[in-house]
Amino acid sequence: VQLVESGGGLVQPGGSLRLSCVASGFASSNYAMTWVRQAPGKGLEWVSGISGSGDITHYADSVKGRFTISRDNSKNTLFLQMSSLRVEDTAVYYCAKDPDFWSGQLPDYWGQGTLVTVSS
Amino acid sequence: DIQMTQSPSSLSASVGDRVTITCRASQDIRNDLGWYQQKPGEAPRRLIFAASTLRSGISSRFSGSGSGTEFTLTISNLQPEDFATYYCLQHSSFPPLTFGGGTKVEIK
Repeated sequence: VQLVESGGGLVQPGGSLRLSCVASGFASSNYAMTWVRQAPGKGLEWVSGISGSGDITHYADSVKGRFTISRDNSKNTLFLQMSSLRVEDTAVYYCAKDPDFWSGQLPDYWGQGTLVTVSS
Repeated sequence: DIQMTQSPSSLSASVGDRVTITCRASQDIRNDLGWYQQKPGEAPRRLIFAASTLRSGISSRFSGSGSGTEFTLTISNLQPEDFATYYCLQHSSFPPLTFGGGTKVEIK
C-alpha cells in the first residue's frame, strides 16, 4: 500500500488549494479514505472521510462548508478541495486508507503528508 | 462529540522501562479505540485496534487494554525505537473521529 499526497503550498487567507492523494497497492474503490491534519507542533485532527464509492462524505465542523472531499476511483486518486482558507488551516495534511468500504473506522495506512501554509 | 483525554502529555523513561499511557473517553465507546505511534517527520502508524488487538508486524512489547471509557497503552521493555508520540483515536461515535491530545515519550 502506498499513498502519495501532493498539492500543498503557500496560499493567502481566503484562497483555495486542491490536495491530491494517489493510492496504489490496493483496490481503492473497496475502501473509504480519510484526510487528517496536523498543525505545526500540535496533535492530529480528523478533517474528512469518504466512502469507497464516493457517494457518502463527512466533515469536521471546523471545515464544513469550506472543504470538499472527492475521489476518482478510475485514477485511484483522492482529493481535498479547500477554499476560504484561514491561517488556522495551516497544517500537514495526511491522506489515509480506511480498513473498510464505509468511513468511520481506524485508518490503517497513511501517506507522508503535504504541508499547507496559509499566510499573507 | 466524544472527547478523548490522554495522559500524561509527556513522560521521560529509560530503555528497558515499562510505560503506561491512558486515554479516557467522555462517554462509553465500547472497545472502538486504536493507538497510533508517530515519530518526528513521519506519518502516524497504527499499532492497536479494537482497544487490544495488536496489528500484524507490531512488536508484542506493545499492548492495549480497556473498554467503555478507560483505555491503556502499555509499552514493556522500552526500546530506543519506541521514543515517539502516541495518540489514541476513537471511532465509536462518527462523525467525527476524535484523537487524544498525544503523549510524547522521551528518553530520560
